[in-house]
Amino acid sequence: SQQGEEDPQALSIQEGENATMNCSYKTSINNLQWYRQNSGRGLVHLILIRSNEREKHSGRLRVTLDTSKKSSSLLITASRAADTASYFCATDKGNKLVFGAGTILRVKS
Amino acid sequence: GAVVSQHPSWVICKSGTSVKIECRSLDFQATTMFWYRQFPKQSLMLMATSNEGSKATYEQGVEKDKFLINHASLTLSTLTVTSAHPEDSSFYICSARDYLGGQPQHFGDGTRLSIL
Repeated sequence: SQQGEEDPQALSIQEGENATMNCSYKTSINNLQWYRQNSGRGLVHLILIRSNEREKHSGRLRVTLDTSKKSSSLLITASRAADTASYFCATDKGNKLVFGAGTILRVKS
Repeated sequence: GAVVSQHPSWVICKSGTSVKIECRSLDFQATTMFWYRQFPKQSLMLMATSNEGSKATYEQGVEKDKFLINHASLTLSTLTVTSAHPEDSSFYICSARDYLGGQPQHFGDGTRLSIL
């Protein structure tokens, strides 16, 4: 079963706007990761945040982690049409990744 | 960066056929590979964990006789869908982790399986 829940399920924004996606999980974690999936393709790793970290940046991406609330957020700033994709959070549970339901992001040009 | 190659990318076959999907790590040794299944507009569901030289570990509810996994070398794992039926139609994705158990996992581009 999926541990993570994400919201919103779908998000449509204009190019240049920021996009925020949230992820909640249920059990303790070693780390939380965010992946992007373009339609019909595999997953591309975006960023990993460890359980002792609160915030991490990578280019236009900003991830926060609140272990007390068991939640994480992914912010994409200055979005581009090429950012259109599904975004998944995944928690590291032992040797396995458990994926959230995902957010479908559409960036309109 | 690390690359995982999955083949074929798309297969259509008749009901009752067995289909083999390959997952190769191209520039690293993968002691552990993972097989996922994804239905349209849904998330990835882990089917099994494949360890080189040993039997795969299947997730609850996944039929091991239906989905045969072989991980005979450090760079290749195969998933065989035996006697496939239309309900087996799905998007199958593999991922690999290197021998150090490193993060992140590296994903293949997936195989779209359509059973007629």
